[in-house]
Amino acid sequence: AQRVTQPEKLLSVFKGAPVELKCNYSYSGSPELFWYVQYSRQRLQLLLRHISRESIKGFTADLNKGETSFHLKKPFAQEEDSAMYYCALSEANFNKFYFGSGTKLNVKP
Amino acid sequence: GAGVSQTPSNKVTEKGKYVELRCDPISGHTALYWYRQSLGQGPEFLIYFQGTGAADDSGLPNDRFFAVRPEGSVSTLKIQRTERGDSAVYLCASSLTGTIDTQYFGPGTRLTVL
Repeated sequence: AQRVTQPEKLLSVFKGAPVELKCNYSYSGSPELFWYVQYSRQRLQLLLRHISRESIKGFTADLNKGETSFHLKKPFAQEEDSAMYYCALSEANFNKFYFGSGTKLNVKP
Repeated sequence: GAGVSQTPSNKVTEKGKYVELRCDPISGHTALYWYRQSLGQGPEFLIYFQGTGAADDSGLPNDRFFAVRPEGSVSTLKIQRTERGDSAVYLCASSLTGTIDTQYFGPGTRLTVL
Protein backbone atom coordinates (compact mmCIF):
# COMPACT_ATOMS: atom_id res chain seq x y z
CA ALA A 1 0.00 0.00 0.00
CA GLN A 2 1.29 3.42 -0.96
CA ARG A 3 2.06 5.20 2.30
CA VAL A 4 3.40 8.50 1.01
CA THR A 5 2.20 10.28 -2.10
CA GLN A 6 3.83 13.26 -3.74
CA PRO A 7 1.55 14.12 -6.64
CA GLU A 8 3.93 16.47 -8.44
CA LYS A 9 7.04 15.13 -10.14
CA LEU A 10 8.18 18.60 -11.12
CA LEU A 11 7.39 22.03 -9.75
CA SER A 12 8.76 25.16 -11.40
CA VAL A 13 8.50 28.58 -9.79
CA PHE A 14 10.21 31.92 -10.21
CA LYS A 15 12.61 33.27 -7.64
CA GLY A 16 10.74 35.13 -4.92
CA ALA A 17 7.47 33.28 -5.52
CA PRO A 18 5.85 31.13 -2.83
CA VAL A 19 6.30 27.41 -3.12
CA GLU A 20 4.30 24.49 -1.76
CA LEU A 21 5.35 20.89 -2.26
CA LYS A 22 2.51 18.52 -1.57
CA CYS A 23 2.68 15.36 0.48
CA ASN A 24 -0.18 13.09 1.50
CA TYR A 25 0.17 10.00 3.59
CA SER A 26 -1.76 6.89 4.46
CA TYR A 27 -1.08 5.31 7.83
CA SER A 28 -3.13 4.11 10.76
CA GLY A 29 -1.68 5.20 14.05
CA SER A 30 0.61 8.11 14.80
CA PRO A 31 3.32 8.41 12.18
CA GLU A 32 6.25 10.75 12.26
CA LEU A 33 6.68 12.86 9.14
CA PHE A 34 9.85 14.20 7.57
CA TRP A 35 11.06 16.12 4.56
CA TYR A 36 14.37 15.17 2.98
CA VAL A 37 16.23 17.10 0.29
CA GLN A 38 18.82 16.09 -2.27
CA TYR A 39 20.74 18.89 -3.94
CA SER A 40 22.50 18.22 -7.24
CA ARG A 41 25.39 15.78 -6.79
CA GLN A 42 24.91 15.67 -3.02
CA ARG A 43 23.60 13.10 -0.61
CA LEU A 44 20.09 12.83 0.64
CA GLN A 45 19.77 14.86 3.83
CA LEU A 46 17.14 15.69 6.38
CA LEU A 47 15.46 19.06 5.86
CA LEU A 48 12.95 19.05 8.68
CA ARG A 49 10.78 16.80 10.80
CA HIS A 50 7.35 17.36 12.20
CA ILE A 51 8.21 16.44 15.76
CA SER A 52 10.72 19.29 16.02
CA ARG A 53 8.28 21.87 14.64
CA GLU A 54 11.27 23.69 13.22
CA SER A 55 11.87 25.96 10.25
CA ILE A 56 14.93 25.21 8.18
CA LYS A 57 16.15 27.47 5.37
CA GLY A 58 12.80 29.22 5.53
CA PHE A 59 10.82 26.02 4.93
CA THR A 60 7.99 24.93 7.19
CA ALA A 61 5.62 21.99 7.12
CA ASP A 62 2.38 21.53 9.01
CA LEU A 63 0.90 18.17 9.76
CA ASN A 64 -2.81 18.11 8.96
CA LYS A 65 -4.17 14.88 10.38
CA GLY A 66 -7.65 15.51 9.01
CA GLU A 67 -6.36 15.74 5.46
CA THR A 68 -3.43 13.38 6.14
CA SER A 69 -1.09 15.90 4.60
CA PHE A 70 2.34 17.31 5.40
CA HIS A 71 2.92 19.93 2.74
CA LEU A 72 6.23 21.79 2.60
CA LYS A 73 6.04 25.55 2.19
CA LYS A 74 8.32 28.51 1.70
CA PRO A 75 7.06 32.05 1.21
CA PHE A 76 9.86 33.23 -1.09
CA ALA A 77 11.73 30.65 -3.15
CA GLN A 78 15.45 31.07 -3.83
CA GLU A 79 17.44 29.63 -6.73
CA GLU A 80 19.49 27.57 -4.27
CA ASP A 81 16.29 25.78 -3.23
CA SER A 82 16.32 23.92 -6.54
CA ALA A 83 16.61 20.24 -5.61
CA MET A 84 14.71 16.96 -5.23
CA TYR A 85 12.44 16.88 -2.21
CA TYR A 86 11.19 13.69 -0.61
CA CYS A 87 8.47 13.38 1.97
CA ALA A 88 8.94 10.47 4.37
CA LEU A 89 6.97 8.74 7.09
CA SER A 90 8.23 6.53 9.87
CA GLU A 91 6.39 4.18 12.10
CA ALA A 92 6.26 5.19 15.75
CA ASN A 93 9.28 3.05 16.63
CA PHE A 94 11.39 4.56 13.82
CA ASN A 95 12.34 1.09 12.62
CA LYS A 96 10.97 1.61 9.15
CA PHE A 97 10.69 4.60 6.86
CA TYR A 98 8.52 5.10 3.79
CA PHE A 99 9.50 7.69 1.19
CA GLY A 100 7.44 9.36 -1.49
CA SER A 101 8.58 9.36 -5.09
CA GLY A 102 9.91 12.90 -4.81
CA THR A 103 9.24 16.30 -6.33
CA LYS A 104 11.86 18.16 -8.30
CA LEU A 105 11.74 21.84 -7.47
CA ASN A 106 13.13 24.17 -10.10
CA VAL A 107 13.45 27.80 -9.08
CA LYS A 108 13.94 30.01 -12.10
CA PRO A 109 15.79 33.33 -11.95
CA GLY B 1 34.10 13.79 11.01
CA ALA B 2 33.68 11.25 8.25
CA GLY B 3 30.20 10.61 7.01
CA VAL B 4 28.63 7.37 5.90
CA SER B 5 30.65 5.73 3.17
CA GLN B 6 29.63 3.04 0.70
CA THR B 7 31.70 0.87 -1.56
CA PRO B 8 31.83 0.34 -4.42
CA SER B 9 30.30 3.48 -5.85
CA ASN B 10 29.38 1.58 -9.00
CA LYS B 11 28.98 -2.13 -9.61
CA VAL B 12 28.23 -3.76 -12.93
CA THR B 13 27.50 -7.46 -12.89
CA GLU B 14 25.90 -10.11 -15.04
CA LYS B 15 22.56 -11.72 -14.40
CA GLY B 16 22.90 -14.65 -12.03
CA LYS B 17 26.05 -13.40 -10.28
CA TYR B 18 26.51 -12.70 -6.59
CA VAL B 19 27.29 -9.20 -5.32
CA GLU B 20 28.20 -7.63 -2.00
CA LEU B 21 27.68 -3.98 -1.17
CA ARG B 22 29.40 -2.43 1.81
CA CYS B 23 28.36 0.34 4.16
CA ASP B 24 30.56 2.09 6.74
CA PRO B 25 28.34 4.07 9.11
CA ILE B 26 29.34 7.06 11.16
CA SER B 27 31.41 5.92 14.11
CA GLY B 28 29.29 5.31 17.18
CA HIS B 29 25.99 5.09 15.33
CA THR B 30 24.08 2.04 16.48
CA ALA B 31 21.30 2.23 13.91
CA LEU B 32 21.85 1.36 10.27
CA TYR B 33 19.35 1.29 7.41
CA TRP B 34 19.53 -0.05 3.86
CA TYR B 35 17.33 1.35 1.11
CA ARG B 36 16.95 0.70 -2.60
CA GLN B 37 16.16 3.53 -4.98
CA SER B 38 14.99 2.76 -8.48
CA LEU B 39 14.97 5.39 -11.22
CA GLY B 40 12.32 8.01 -10.63
CA GLN B 41 11.35 6.63 -7.24
CA GLY B 42 12.08 7.48 -3.66
CA PRO B 43 14.17 5.27 -1.40
CA GLU B 44 12.51 1.97 -0.56
CA PHE B 45 13.21 0.53 2.88
CA LEU B 46 15.00 -2.82 2.93
CA ILE B 47 16.32 -3.55 6.41
CA TYR B 48 17.12 -1.88 9.72
CA PHE B 49 19.88 -2.90 12.13
CA GLN B 50 20.10 -1.93 15.76
CA GLY B 51 23.59 -2.92 16.78
CA THR B 52 24.39 -6.34 15.35
CA GLY B 53 20.82 -7.54 14.99
CA ALA B 54 18.34 -6.98 12.20
CA ALA B 55 15.47 -5.30 14.02
CA ASP B 56 13.30 -5.15 10.91
CA ASP B 57 14.03 -6.98 7.65
CA SER B 58 10.51 -6.80 6.30
CA GLY B 59 11.59 -4.73 3.31
CA LEU B 60 13.89 -7.35 1.80
CA PRO B 61 12.12 -8.32 -1.44
CA ASN B 62 12.95 -12.04 -1.37
CA ASP B 63 15.42 -14.57 -0.03
CA ARG B 64 18.07 -13.60 -2.58
CA PHE B 65 18.73 -10.54 -0.45
CA PHE B 66 20.56 -10.78 2.85
CA ALA B 67 22.39 -8.31 5.04
CA VAL B 68 24.76 -8.63 7.97
CA ARG B 69 26.37 -6.37 10.53
CA PRO B 70 28.50 -8.78 12.58
CA GLU B 71 30.30 -6.28 14.81
CA GLY B 72 27.67 -3.59 14.98
CA SER B 73 29.53 -1.26 12.65
CA VAL B 74 30.16 -2.11 8.98
CA SER B 75 27.27 -3.74 7.17
CA THR B 76 27.21 -5.78 3.98
CA LEU B 77 24.20 -6.23 1.74
CA LYS B 78 24.42 -9.45 -0.21
CA ILE B 79 22.44 -10.27 -3.31
CA GLN B 80 22.47 -13.76 -4.78
CA ARG B 81 21.54 -14.75 -8.33
CA THR B 82 21.14 -11.14 -9.38
CA GLU B 83 18.36 -10.23 -11.78
CA ARG B 84 18.04 -7.26 -14.10
CA GLY B 85 15.28 -5.91 -11.86
CA ASP B 86 17.80 -5.57 -9.04
CA SER B 87 19.44 -2.68 -10.89
CA ALA B 88 19.10 0.39 -8.68
CA VAL B 89 21.00 2.68 -6.33
CA TYR B 90 21.43 1.06 -2.95
CA LEU B 91 21.57 3.59 -0.12
CA CYS B 92 22.79 3.14 3.40
CA ALA B 93 21.99 5.46 6.30
CA SER B 94 22.99 5.52 9.94
CA SER B 95 21.72 7.32 13.00
CA LEU B 96 22.95 7.62 16.55
CA THR B 97 20.36 5.48 18.30
CA GLY B 98 17.65 4.77 15.75
CA THR B 99 14.94 6.73 17.45
CA ILE B 100 14.15 10.30 16.40
CA ASP B 101 17.84 10.90 15.62
CA THR B 102 18.70 12.20 12.19
CA GLN B 103 19.52 9.63 9.54
CA TYR B 104 22.72 10.39 7.65
CA PHE B 105 22.85 8.93 4.17
CA GLY B 106 25.76 7.58 2.24
CA PRO B 107 26.41 8.38 -1.42
CA GLY B 108 24.94 5.09 -2.57
CA THR B 109 26.12 2.20 -4.71
CA ARG B 110 24.76 2.10 -8.25
CA LEU B 111 24.19 -1.54 -9.17
CA THR B 112 23.68 -2.46 -12.80
CA VAL B 113 22.75 -6.02 -13.70
CA LEU B 114 23.28 -6.80 -17.37
